[in-house]
Amino acid sequence: QQQVKQSPQSLIVQKGGIPIINCAYENTAFDYFPWYQQFPGKGPALLIAIRPDVSEKKEGRFTISFNKSAKQFSLHIMDSQPGDSATYFCAASSKASGTYKYIFGTGTRLKVLA
Amino acid sequence: EPEVTQTPSHQVTQMGQEVILRCVPISNHLYFYWYRQILGQKVEFLVSFYNNEISEKSEIFDDQFSVERPDGSNFTLKIRSTKLEDSAMYFCASKSGTSGNIQYFGAGTRLSVL
Repeated sequence: QQQVKQSPQSLIVQKGGIPIINCAYENTAFDYFPWYQQFPGKGPALLIAIRPDVSEKKEGRFTISFNKSAKQFSLHIMDSQPGDSATYFCAASSKASGTYKYIFGTGTRLKVLA
Repeated sequence: EPEVTQTPSHQVTQMGQEVILRCVPISNHLYFYWYRQILGQKVEFLVSFYNNEISEKSEIFDDQFSVERPDGSNFTLKIRSTKLEDSAMYFCASKSGTSGNIQYFGAGTRLSVL
């Protein structure tokens, strides 16, 4: 119940394409869903996050779509660029846990071709 | 911009040796975390620390692991007797008391156990 399932494992798109990464969860107590971007040898950096009271959030070229009834959320990257090539992790956490610990998905390695 | 700093960036040790990984969280943050990422796998929660005590630990965080906040600024993870399977990237993260669930990650320490 604590798992977050992420797909696909890897993704290759052409520059300008719109990669979509999907995550699904079981625990309805989760109330915060961030996406982190990680470059090789670096720590995860927060990209964008959403709470379950909204269905969509946009920040620049990054959009999260959230489907509460299906317990799924996804990241869309508009007009993708080679510099977006990185590993993307979805995560979930719950204020009710008291610790706000993150449960991460398994990651998606994105490559954007020039 | 404030950041979480971790030292060393790479630690090589012999099996059975003790290691201490160090972290300086963002100065006004109240929640502290250690996560682990085995090469090519997802980021896994190890332990959370709040109000000078462990608030939650995972099953990975056994008696060989301990954490300390010795001086109000540093946050350390000690592995008493390292095993080959402890080889991983270890990330420290911190969270303020007011910014909801947002956690900020350090660049990590790569631990190699030989």
